[in-house]
This record gives sequence, C-alpha cells and structure tokens, in this order.
Amino acid sequence: AQSVTQLDSQVPVFEEAPVELRCNYSSSVSVYLFWYVQYPNQGLQLLLKYLSGSTLVKGINGFEAEFNKSQTSFHLRKPSVHISDTAEYFCAVSVGDGSSNTGKLIFGQGTTLQVKP
Amino acid sequence: ETGVTQSPTHLIKTRGQQVTLRCSSQSGHNTVSWYQQALGQGPQFIFQYYREEENGRGNFPPRFSGLQFPNYSSELNVNALELDDSALYLCASSWGQVGYGYTFGSGTRLTVV
Repeated sequence: AQSVTQLDSQVPVFEEAPVELRCNYSSSVSVYLFWYVQYPNQGLQLLLKYLSGSTLVKGINGFEAEFNKSQTSFHLRKPSVHISDTAEYFCAVSVGDGSSNTGKLIFGQGTTLQVKP
Repeated sequence: ETGVTQSPTHLIKTRGQQVTLRCSSQSGHNTVSWYQQALGQGPQFIFQYYREEENGRGNFPPRFSGLQFPNYSSELNVNALELDDSALYLCASSWGQVGYGYTFGSGTRLTVV
C-alpha cells in the first residue's frame, strides 16, 4: 500500500531565504506525485505534479520539486520565499501504473511553512 | 472556466442527525472525489464517482454515501452523525478515472455538537 511521509511538521524560515519541504513515499508500483498548498480556511491548490518525464518539475509561484525514484522522495523547493508563502503544504501520491481504477490521492500529514519578516 | 464550488461553506449539526453536502465540478470534468480533512491532518479519501458510478472507496463506514448526477455535480450524505465527523469536507474534480491533477473546492466545514 502507498503511504506518504512529510518529514517536517513545521518549517520556520526568514523572508527571501531558500526553503525545502521534504516528502518521502512508499510504493511498490509507479506513482504520480503532487504538491498542494492550503491557505487558512481554504481548499487545496495544486502547486505542481510529476506524472512522467523530466524529474525536475516546475510549478506555480516559483516552486519546483525533484522526483528521486531511488530515494522515493519528492522534495519541494523555493529559492526565495515571501511572507505570502506562509501556508500548509501537502505532498500526495496516486497510483500511476493503471492497476487502479481511481486516482485517489494519499496525502501526507502536511508541513506548515512559516515565513518570518 | 468555473472551478469547483461547494455548499454550504459552514454547517453545524447535532449528533445523530443527517447531512448533505453539495459540489459542482469544474467545467469539462467527469470525475468527482470527496475527502475528509480533520483539524491538523491531511485529507483522507472517502470515495470517487466516475460517470455517476462509485468506482473507489476509502476506509469509511456505509453511513457515508454519495451521488453523482448527469451534469457531474455530486452530493455527499452522512447519516447518524458522530462528533468525530467534525471536519473540513473537500470535493475535487478531474477528467477521467485516474486523475492527473484534481481541482479542489474550498470545502464545507462541518461541526457536529
């Protein structure tokens, strides 16, 4: 069964500093990988996704992530954060080999990014 | 194109009551999924509907049920509400059974007292 582990529950960082939010997954089959952001009292917004192809994925708002199959990781990075990036970030996986008839997402517990001035 | 809209935004119910939550999928999407997000947790998959048929279900009891309509909108029904059902309920839509990136609504905050 697939599972997702977000290694940090909270990440405090100063404005304009770089940040990395870590995500590891476990799966015996190929997966699709996603990062979502959730602002207070809102739903989830897709930041970026990996389906196939290049392992470096660029998303919205200057975020990028790298798929590492050997380490089963999909860490999210941003070279310079802004106060407005303060939010909850979720890593998610879905089965990508066609063996499942749903694309149900399995989410990690979330990482709170706190950007300080 | 319109996004995913959910109603109501907030709801307070008493234990034992029944509740219906509604979701309008994004234009062009034919798959709807529902997720429960408890406070401080990641969303948990409840079930998915594709072309009006349930085609996947998470670890939720039968008192959680749903419908998808011909226009691909959807309802989530929860019977015999329990205190632990208090959560944010998120609807997500996509095109095709295996979603390549779901669009989420803003959710319905359900409080059971």
